[in-house]
Amino acid sequence: ELKVEQNPLFLSMQEGKNYTIYCNYSTTSDRLYWYRQDPGKSLESLFVLLSNGAVKQEGRLMASLDTKARLSTLHITAAVHDLSATYFCAVNTGAGSYQLTFGKGTKLSVIP
Amino acid sequence: SQTIHQWPATLVQPVGSPLSLECTVEGTSNPNLYWYRQAAGRGLQLLFYSVGIGQISSEVPQNLSASRPQDRQFILSSKKLLLSDSGFYLCAWNRQNTEAFFGQGTRLTVV
Repeated sequence: ELKVEQNPLFLSMQEGKNYTIYCNYSTTSDRLYWYRQDPGKSLESLFVLLSNGAVKQEGRLMASLDTKARLSTLHITAAVHDLSATYFCAVNTGAGSYQLTFGKGTKLSVIP
Repeated sequence: SQTIHQWPATLVQPVGSPLSLECTVEGTSNPNLYWYRQAAGRGLQLLFYSVGIGQISSEVPQNLSASRPQDRQFILSSKKLLLSDSGFYLCAWNRQNTEAFFGQGTRLTVV
């Protein structure tokens, strides 16, 4: 059974600081996805990482994938309050690789 | 472009009443379709998925059922709601080995 583990699950950080969220998964996969969820809202796709060594950046967020270590990171640079949300990573699984298995999410609170 | 519609946005239902949530996808054909549930402050639980019309796989045995009467329509149902059915229900679609795209969600409160 595929396991996707995120840490930390809760993160409170001050504006202007840097931090990294980690996503480990237990089976072979060459693609990984990051989503953002605002309170009471649906999930929004942030990054699609399709190969080992892939790096994607948008604004203050940068995601990377190491398929050999089965690890993805979401790095936050100089955090701002607008980044406060819950972030999920997800990995394709199942016989047809169409299902997504999600981590439990990291709730990020950026304090002014 | 593809879009996914889910309704209603919010729903308050008494215990023992039936449930029907609907989801439709536009702009694509033969999508994989999913129903997820998210309890308050919790992660995503996959309830059902479908790879084609009439093909439903259940991940968690429970009080709910799903149907796919048309290629781009996915329905979540219950004959009698329980208090524990409360939560945020999300419909999603994707293709093999791709990211999933989510509807806006239905917040269900069973009272």
